[in-house]
Amino acid sequence: SQQGEEDPQALSIQEGENATMNCSYKTSINNLQWYRQNSGRGLVHLILIRSNEREKHSGRLRVTLDTSKKSSSLLITASRAADTASYFCATPGSSNTGKLIFGQGTTLQVKP
Amino acid sequence: DVKVTQSSRYLVKRTGEKVFLECVQDMDHENMFWYRQDPGLGLRLIYFSYDVKMKEKGDIPEGYSVSREKKERFSLILESASTNQTSMYLCASSTGTIHNEKLFFGSGTQLSVL
Repeated sequence: SQQGEEDPQALSIQEGENATMNCSYKTSINNLQWYRQNSGRGLVHLILIRSNEREKHSGRLRVTLDTSKKSSSLLITASRAADTASYFCATPGSSNTGKLIFGQGTTLQVKP
Repeated sequence: DVKVTQSSRYLVKRTGEKVFLECVQDMDHENMFWYRQDPGLGLRLIYFSYDVKMKEKGDIPEGYSVSREKKERFSLILESASTNQTSMYLCASSTGTIHNEKLFFGSGTQLSVL
């Protein structure tokens, strides 16, 4: 079952530009998380935003959450070639078991 | 830092073989998960475990089983490998259940079934 869906599926920008990725989900959540995956590797947790938060920052990352629209966005400012990766949003499953449901991801390419 | 270790980065098996994928975490996490990742389908949950000897089916458990005899180790078993099980397999762990805290992932095992 897919909970989060990212948009766009692919994004190509120049170094120094900002990259924005969006995530929509279907059911009520207590938090939403973003992960990054370099090609052929495991996922790395970037940031978690709770349902009572509207915005959160971590370095060059800015995440927003709009629970009324059931959507979130991840903004990477001043992108670098090293930011090239796939980015996934994840939301909790239906029961309190710790499992997460992932979207299909946005593939970001940052050209030097 | 938490370390989640998957025993193999690449694995090639033949149809019908029994395959074991091993995952070990070193931070005493209660929860462990097995996902598979396929192009266009994202990550799909196969099985998870929230305690030793406890397991629950995820979204796509058919053709798989799991074992968790010790807290730090979670094994995924393909009883009789088939070509449609060719995929990237990702193990993850986390602590706690109430707030669905972040997952720590291993580097993945790329399994090819010929």
